[in-house]
Amino acid sequence: EAEVAQSPRYKITEKSQAVAFWCDPISGHATLYWYRQILGQGPELLVQFQDESVVDDSQLPKDRFSAERLKGVDSTLKIQPAELGDSAMYLCASSLGSLGYNEQFFGPGTRLTVL
Amino acid sequence: AQKVTQAQTEISVVEKEDVTLDCVYETRDTTYYLFWYKQPPSGELVFLIRRNSFDEQNEISGRYSWNFQKSTSSFNFTITASQVVDSAVYFCALSDNDYKLSFGAGTTVTVRA
Repeated sequence: EAEVAQSPRYKITEKSQAVAFWCDPISGHATLYWYRQILGQGPELLVQFQDESVVDDSQLPKDRFSAERLKGVDSTLKIQPAELGDSAMYLCASSLGSLGYNEQFFGPGTRLTVL
Repeated sequence: AQKVTQAQTEISVVEKEDVTLDCVYETRDTTYYLFWYKQPPSGELVFLIRRNSFDEQNEISGRYSWNFQKSTSSFNFTITASQVVDSAVYFCALSDNDYKLSFGAGTTVTVRA
């Protein structure tokens, strides 16, 4: 069964360091999402890609966060420098399309701890 | 404004009891989609169901059932005869005309043996 892959599963870093997360969506899925989930809350969208283009990054803290999907397949989310408040689960999801009815398939997430 | 409200933070039941999770949503759009996802301790969100705003028919899938009522803007989820494996965080989510998936805060369900 096709799955969304993410790595690493866990990351511990010190504040002011740089971190990067990787996501490989389900083959053929044009739309890719990065979400941040703070403990005890629901996921919140950070950035959405349609193929290699960013279609929504309105909630991405652009002073420290960046995301890319260069070839329209896998994607990387980077934080530099990391802050204590960035500790959270970072989830990647993909879907066939970007319309509201499209089911999003989620990866296992990367749990980030910033010390 | 919060689009999805899950008022129950935590629910604890004994195995074989039924459990109902409440979800109230808010939107001005006439076309929208409602979802339920399950997040087990492993962290991955698992899709359970999607409903569009024009289909108010209730649905049953095994031990799971969903009650969609537009009059009260609710999309409640019931697990019948709960099992320990049902222990997870359950999220209700809404997608309307901005196509973004807005999640509620989640309800943690603990099923005790």
